[in-house]
Amino acid sequence: DIQMTQSPSFLSASVGERVTLSCKASQNINKYLDWYQQKLGEAPKLLIYNTNNLHTGIPSRFSGSGSGTDYTLTISSLQPEDVATYFCLQRNSWPLTFGSGTKLEIK
Amino acid sequence: EVQLVETGGGLVQPGRSLKLSCVASGFTFNNYWMSWTRQAPGKGLEWVASITNSGGSTYYPDSVKGRFTISRDNAQNTLYLQMNSLRSEDTATYYCTRELPTDYWGQGVMVTVSS
Repeated sequence: DIQMTQSPSFLSASVGERVTLSCKASQNINKYLDWYQQKLGEAPKLLIYNTNNLHTGIPSRFSGSGSGTDYTLTISSLQPEDVATYFCLQRNSWPLTFGSGTKLEIK
Repeated sequence: EVQLVETGGGLVQPGRSLKLSCVASGFTFNNYWMSWTRQAPGKGLEWVASITNSGGSTYYPDSVKGRFTISRDNAQNTLYLQMNSLRSEDTATYYCTRELPTDYWGQGVMVTVSS
């Protein structure tokens, strides 16, 4: 199985700050990497698919990049409504595997 | 508007069975793969099962393979998850999800496995 390692586990940043979240796969996942945002008490929501494709309705301050085993989610200017836990998911091979998440809060 | 509504959760004893349902609306159900993903209380996400749009192929992780069965009724726009031989570690909120990448999630249904 492909292991997905997210870092950091917890991140505190200021409004307006540029934030970078990392997801590392245990082997090449050929850019089949998605990012989800989960706010407290809600179902997850798709932000980015296939590394760098913004899902419909997602603000442009969110972006994704990466290749091979290393992937990044960037929020260009952190907003209060971005407080959430962010998960990555690899879809390169079965079984699909999620990272353990990065909890993002406002400083 | 896409809607996915899960039902069938509850409290069940270890070793027993439970069947979840997910009624879909707002899209052409038989055009999409469907999946179940779960989340244990306070924990991360775990993919549980996927099924092709025709229902002809299914996929599972080892943690549920042989115990859980995903199926669908395209005439009724309904997705199912039959869960047998339940264990305490199956306690979680189960989400019905559309497509891969998963673009829509249901609100989730809680399953508690405890004696």
